[in-house]
Amino acid sequence: GAGVSQTPSNKVTEKGKYVELRCDPISGHTALYWYRQSLGQGPEFLIYFQGTGAADDSGLPNDRFFAVRPEGSVSTLKIQRTERGDSAVYLCASSLRASPNEQFFGPGTRLTVL
Amino acid sequence: GDSVTQMEGPVTLSEEAFLTINCTYTATGYPSLFWYVQYPGEGLQLLLKATKADDKGSNKGFEATYRKETTSFHLEKGSVQVSDSAVYFCALGNNNAGNMLTFGGGTRLMVKP
Repeated sequence: GAGVSQTPSNKVTEKGKYVELRCDPISGHTALYWYRQSLGQGPEFLIYFQGTGAADDSGLPNDRFFAVRPEGSVSTLKIQRTERGDSAVYLCASSLRASPNEQFFGPGTRLTVL
Repeated sequence: GDSVTQMEGPVTLSEEAFLTINCTYTATGYPSLFWYVQYPGEGLQLLLKATKADDKGSNKGFEATYRKETTSFHLEKGSVQVSDSAVYFCALGNNNAGNMLTFGGGTRLMVKP
């Protein structure tokens, strides 16, 4: 079956611009997670959803970052007033239910802020 | 908070050599432990996991044993192949601290023929 998909695969933007990154989880998965992986580092947790609600957003670095999942399936990560330090690969994962044990990752979106 | 420390790379080995990548963790409660692998140009894939102390996870010839007494989850393989060249991430998941994964910094393995 289809895995987790993320679009776009690459995004280049200019400092100060607004970007949206999309994640399509595996069908039927109720939990969805966003992570950020900077160059040469491991992924870092940003936020996770159980259904439509953000169950834990403690990893969002500041109020320029926001994520939604209005229908409990597709999620969008939104970054306002992008900064060069936001450049990273943004990873999405989903699981059947909220658990660290069963997360399936997408290929990621590589964001470059010039 | 929870944290994971793994040996820095790159690790360069010849084909058929023995591999160990060290991983230690700090966590409250009873976390689950994981090794993820990222092959060149591909996404993160779960390699193996162990959900309680003394459990051994294994897959594709790789093994790791959950050692609570030493808070470790070292990855081993008896005979590496060129196709094992990738970046390996140790991670923990703790139901006591949310359902997110906490990752180590990754170890790049390069296997030469």
